[in-house]
Amino acid sequence: DAGITQSPRHKVTETGTPVTLRCHQTENHRYMYWYRQDPGHGLRLIHYSYGVKDTDKGEVSDGYSVSRSKTEDFLLTLESATSSQTSVYFCAITESQVVDTGELFFGEGSRLTVL
Amino acid sequence: EDKVVQSPLSLVVHEGDTVTLNCSYEVTNFRSLLWYKQEKKAPTFLFMLTSSGIEKKSGRLSSILDKKELFSILNITATQTGDSAIYLCAVFQQGGSEKLVFGKGTKLTVNP
Repeated sequence: DAGITQSPRHKVTETGTPVTLRCHQTENHRYMYWYRQDPGHGLRLIHYSYGVKDTDKGEVSDGYSVSRSKTEDFLLTLESATSSQTSVYFCAITESQVVDTGELFFGEGSRLTVL
Repeated sequence: EDKVVQSPLSLVVHEGDTVTLNCSYEVTNFRSLLWYKQEKKAPTFLFMLTSSGIEKKSGRLSSILDKKELFSILNITATQTGDSAIYLCAVFQQGGSEKLVFGKGTKLTVNP
């Protein structure tokens, strides 16, 4: 199994508070992704990274920012959480050498509830 | 706008039935199509399809891609209760973004 750890795994917060989710990998993979999964929408890409300090937006990036200061860590920040950001968040990684396989390895998910 | 459409959205069958899940796509810079299985937690990889007409097979699961008609099917024969899951289709784009576009998934329930 790919070494991916997401933290926290569960969080309940209030509207307007900042929240940071962490994705940590031990595989030295180049590409890291943050997805959210909601009923009726499937998995939607928030942001992704293709290297240290190299990030780009996905299809639902509004209200989210990311940072990647080290290969192994990819942080997702909600500057001011809203109820619409209640979701399950998945981190995923791919190996740079086999990026053309398209295979993603997913973390276990972080369930965020914004009250 | 890039999109991946899966059908049906949900399906209930009895053990032993054969099911076919569908995935159609409209994306730029298509590279490959992937199928994932999601049970309770993280999606896990099933197949990657790049070329038309070449069937990928793993046990009771098989999949094929039609790049002309822009769709793929995932077949599961002799279904078991352990096949109950959400099956996700995703298309991998190349060049620049290097990202996966997912469909909404098909929820399969296999009853004993």
